[in-house]
Amino acid sequence: GAGVSQTPSNKVTEKGKYVELRCDPISGHTALYWYRQSLGQGPEFLIYFQGTGAADDSGLPNDRFFAVRPEGSVSTLKIQRTERGDSAVYLCASSLTSGRGPRNEQFFGPGTRLTVL
Amino acid sequence: AQSVSQHNHHVILSEAASLELGCNYSYGGTVNLFWYVQYPGQHLQLLLKYFSGDPLVKGIKGFEAEFIKSKFSFNLRKPSVHWSDTAEYFCAVISSGAGSYQLTFGKGTKLSVIP
Repeated sequence: GAGVSQTPSNKVTEKGKYVELRCDPISGHTALYWYRQSLGQGPEFLIYFQGTGAADDSGLPNDRFFAVRPEGSVSTLKIQRTERGDSAVYLCASSLTSGRGPRNEQFFGPGTRLTVL
Repeated sequence: AQSVSQHNHHVILSEAASLELGCNYSYGGTVNLFWYVQYPGQHLQLLLKYFSGDPLVKGIKGFEAEFIKSKFSFNLRKPSVHWSDTAEYFCAVISSGAGSYQLTFGKGTKLSVIP
């Protein structure tokens, strides 16, 4: 079956511009997570959705970052006024449900590599 | 806040050597533990996971990991590595923090296996 997909795979933008990154989770997965992976680091949590609502956005670094999931499926991560420090690989993951236990196994997409010049 | 430490940044082994990658976590409560692998040019894939029960868990491709609660450790092992195991390995934990189910990852260990 289809896995988690993310578009675009690469995005190059200029400092100050606005970008949108898209995530298409596995069909039927109610939980969706965004992570950011900088060079030489492990992925770091940004935000997660249970259904349409953001259940935990404590990882968003500042108010330039925002994410939506209006219909409980596809999610878009939005970054305003991009800065060079935003350059990273943005990963999306989905799971059957949230919570602890086997149903929370998270499946990752290939990521979007964002480069801010 | 919980954290995950991976002791080795880069490990170089010859084929058929045994592998052990260290992972320690800081959280004292109930945890779920994972090892993910990222092969060159590919996305993160789950290698194995521990939720409860037998602390020795077996994953794909001959990997196993042992959860030692008293040591807050979840080390990854493989008796004999193959060149195709060359990849980056990430240990991760989910804790029982209030409604928070995100993965906390270590910084990763890059494994290079020389044929």
